[in-house]
Amino acid sequence: EPEVTQTPSHQVTQMGQEVILRCVPISNHLYFYWYRQILGQKVEFLVSFYNNEISEKSEIFDDQFSVERPDGSNFTLKIRSTKLEDSAMYFCASSAGTSGGYNEQFFGPGTRLTVL
Amino acid sequence: AQTVTQSQPEMSVQEAETVTLSCTYDTSESNYYLFWYKQPPSRQMILVIRQEAYKQQNATENRFSVNFQKAAKSFSLKISDSQLGDTAMYFCAFFSGNTGKLIFGQGTTLQVKP
Repeated sequence: EPEVTQTPSHQVTQMGQEVILRCVPISNHLYFYWYRQILGQKVEFLVSFYNNEISEKSEIFDDQFSVERPDGSNFTLKIRSTKLEDSAMYFCASSAGTSGGYNEQFFGPGTRLTVL
Repeated sequence: AQTVTQSQPEMSVQEAETVTLSCTYDTSESNYYLFWYKQPPSRQMILVIRQEAYKQQNATENRFSVNFQKAAKSFSLKISDSQLGDTAMYFCAFFSGNTGKLIFGQGTTLQVKP
């Protein structure tokens, strides 16, 4: 069964450093998403991406964040200068569409980011 | 803006019993979908069940079913014949057909006891 994969599973970084979280969405999916979950809290939407551009972003997704689909398979989230409060689990998700039976978002296993 | 509220932070149920998790939401949209996701200790997000807002019939998926009350903006999840493997955090989520994003509730931690 196709699945979304994410690397690394755990990333530890120093405050102020740049990190890139990587995701490989399901191959025939067209919509890509990043969510984050601070430990013990709810899952929060960060950004959605379609047709090589951001289609929606939350207020959390400020200038420190960027997303990219550098090739036909990867989808990345970059945090330019990490802060302590960026420590969280980051989930990538993908879907085939946004309506009908195609809008189910399949989630990856997450990357746990720890900022020291 | 849409909001999703899960008012039960924690619940427990005996194995083989039935439990209902509550969820309410607020929206002015007419084109939306509702989901329940399960997050076990591994923290993987697993889709449990989905409901299209335009469908009156409640969705059912094996032991899982929903009670969708559109006018009341309520979307509860019923788990029948609870199993130990059902122990997890459960998130109710609203999907906007306009914005294409999922909005999650705070989650309910369910403990199934042997």
